[in-house]
Amino acid sequence: AQSVTQPDIHITVSEGASLELRCNYSYGATPYLFWYVQSPGQGLQLLLKYFSGDTLVQGIKGFEAEFKRSQSSFNLRKPSVHWSDAAEYFCAVGVMEYGNKLVFGAGTILRVKS
Amino acid sequence: DAGVTQSPTHLIKTRGQQVTLRCSPKSGHDTVSWYQQALGQGPQFIFQYYEEEERQRGNFPDRFSGHQFPNYSSELNVNALLLGDSALYLCASSLPRGEQYFGPGTRLTVT
Repeated sequence: AQSVTQPDIHITVSEGASLELRCNYSYGATPYLFWYVQSPGQGLQLLLKYFSGDTLVQGIKGFEAEFKRSQSSFNLRKPSVHWSDAAEYFCAVGVMEYGNKLVFGAGTILRVKS
Repeated sequence: DAGVTQSPTHLIKTRGQQVTLRCSPKSGHDTVSWYQQALGQGPQFIFQYYEEEERQRGNFPDRFSGHQFPNYSSELNVNALLLGDSALYLCASSLPRGEQYFGPGTRLTVT
């Protein structure tokens, strides 16, 4: 069965510091991978996606993620965090067997300290 | 261009009642998926509709049912509500194999 693991429940970083959020997936086929961000009480906003090709993908708000097949990972990075990045981040794998359902990780809550 | 819209925003129901949640997809999208997000958890896939038919279903009981209309909008119905059904219900729209765009959600509280 497909699964996504986000090992860190909470992460706190200082404003201006770099950020890396970890994501590991389990999926038998070539994965479609996504990162979403959710502000409190809101829906999910798509940050970036990986379907194929270049393993380093760029997204919105200065985020990027790198797909590493050998490690089954898709970690999210940002070189300099802003206070407005405080939110919950979800990694997801797209199961494209018949349709395109998403399997999500449990999320990582990012706190930014000034 | 309007994104995905959902109604109502909030809803309070009593155990045993039935509820209907509504979703309008992003313009140009024909596939609608529903997810349940319990407090402190990631979203869980309920089902997906395409061409007015349920195409995929997650591990949810038959109390959860849905419908898609010819204009691609969708409804999620939950019968015989339980306290454990309290959650944020998210609707997402997409093309059949494209990335999903989410609405703001409906917060359901069952008392």
